[in-house]
Amino acid sequence: QVQLVESGGGVVQPGRSLRLSCAASRFTFSSFAMHWVRQAPGKGLEWVALISYDARHKYYADSVKGRFTISRDNSENTLYLQMNSLRPEDTAVYFCARSPSPLDAFDIWGQGTRVTVSS
Amino acid sequence: QTVVTQEPSFSVSPGGTVTLTCGLSSGSVSTTSSPSWYQQTPGQAPRTLIYSTNTRSSGVPDRFSGSILGNKAALTITGAQADDESDYYCVLYMGSGIWVFGGGTKLTVL
Repeated sequence: QVQLVESGGGVVQPGRSLRLSCAASRFTFSSFAMHWVRQAPGKGLEWVALISYDARHKYYADSVKGRFTISRDNSENTLYLQMNSLRPEDTAVYFCARSPSPLDAFDIWGQGTRVTVSS
Repeated sequence: QTVVTQEPSFSVSPGGTVTLTCGLSSGSVSTTSSPSWYQQTPGQAPRTLIYSTNTRSSGVPDRFSGSILGNKAALTITGAQADDESDYYCVLYMGSGIWVFGGGTKLTVL
């Protein structure tokens, strides 16, 4: 069935960088916008970023704007999140999610990858 | 900054009906907000229940329905079951590519 699998999480020191990946399978990845959503320990869900199907349009939450970059490689069916200048408050499980159509949120989710920012 | 509001907690009896809501700290929720609803149990990824106000995601039973009630989006669960006990999140489209989640509602079935 349709699947999203995140990877790239880990423990990183404040101020350092990390790149997350989300591998998509069993659907036409290049036809769908994609999101990143995160969840800090014991907290609710927070939308992080959105990229259009063709990567022409990218949008970010204020909390990550200027530090995180969303991108995609449609030839590799992969979504990315480059996270720079990481802060302890970026500690969370990061989920990628598919947008079923323009102006719709998410239908398919990955299982998440954990990022811990700590010295 | 506009905040998306949800009841922090709610309880329902087995077999009962519950309506969870999703509002805005200023303004009204409409279909243009494209409200969506997600169910999450601890340690698991969210599960999509409803998107685009009232479209059920694949495999979601018709006990779950979405609507606009007054100035809020609503998720109604009928015939509540024990395994409906979860956290429920809504998300709204704010325009300009920006989405904002509500704080979530912890639903207890007892």
